[in-house]
Amino acid sequence: GNSVTQMEGPVTLSEEAFLTINCTYTATGYPSLFWYVQYPGEGLQLLLKATKADDKGSNKGFEATYRKETTSFHLEKGSVQVSDSAVYFCALSSSDTGRRALTFGSGTRLQVQP
Amino acid sequence: DGGITQSPKYLFRKEGQNVTLSCEQNLNHDAMYWYRQDPGQGLRLIYYSQIVNDFQKGDIAEGYSVSREKKESFPLTVTSAQKNPTAFYLCASSIRGAGAFFGQGTRLTVV
Repeated sequence: GNSVTQMEGPVTLSEEAFLTINCTYTATGYPSLFWYVQYPGEGLQLLLKATKADDKGSNKGFEATYRKETTSFHLEKGSVQVSDSAVYFCALSSSDTGRRALTFGSGTRLQVQP
Repeated sequence: DGGITQSPKYLFRKEGQNVTLSCEQNLNHDAMYWYRQDPGQGLRLIYYSQIVNDFQKGDIAEGYSVSREKKESFPLTVTSAQKNPTAFYLCASSIRGAGAFFGQGTRLTVV
């Protein structure tokens, strides 16, 4: 079946540091890959996506590249801000099983200190 | 503005009581989903619906029920058979290839 593995948190960084959150996946077929962000007490917001190998998704300074050869979709940002503190979820969607529901990783909490 | 609305934001349930969580969307999406989130964990799929009048069990459907009588609405009932219902419940909708859009969630607590 499909699965997503994320690095465990919390990840604690100083403002303006470089961010990497690792994500690897197992899936049948050719999944679409997503990063979502969740602020305390709220729902999830779509941050970026990639639908095929070598695609790069980007938004608000975050980016991730769909690497089929390493089954990875690592999230990066060159300079984090305090306002980026949140929980980040990697997810995939594959229609091979007949359902398009997202499969999520367990989430990685990011804490950015001023 | 288009979006997904969940209500209520907070819900308290007594032991042995059924409760229903509302989810409404005006995005004209065919597919809708219910997820459960426990503290420090990822999201687990409860039920999903790809089209009106049809729905399928997800990974943790026991103790839950749903209906999909209208495209815009996908209510979730947490029954007394669900022994550990305290959690954060998230509703989502999607259109093929665009990812899912989430509501703000309902926090259910057993009292």
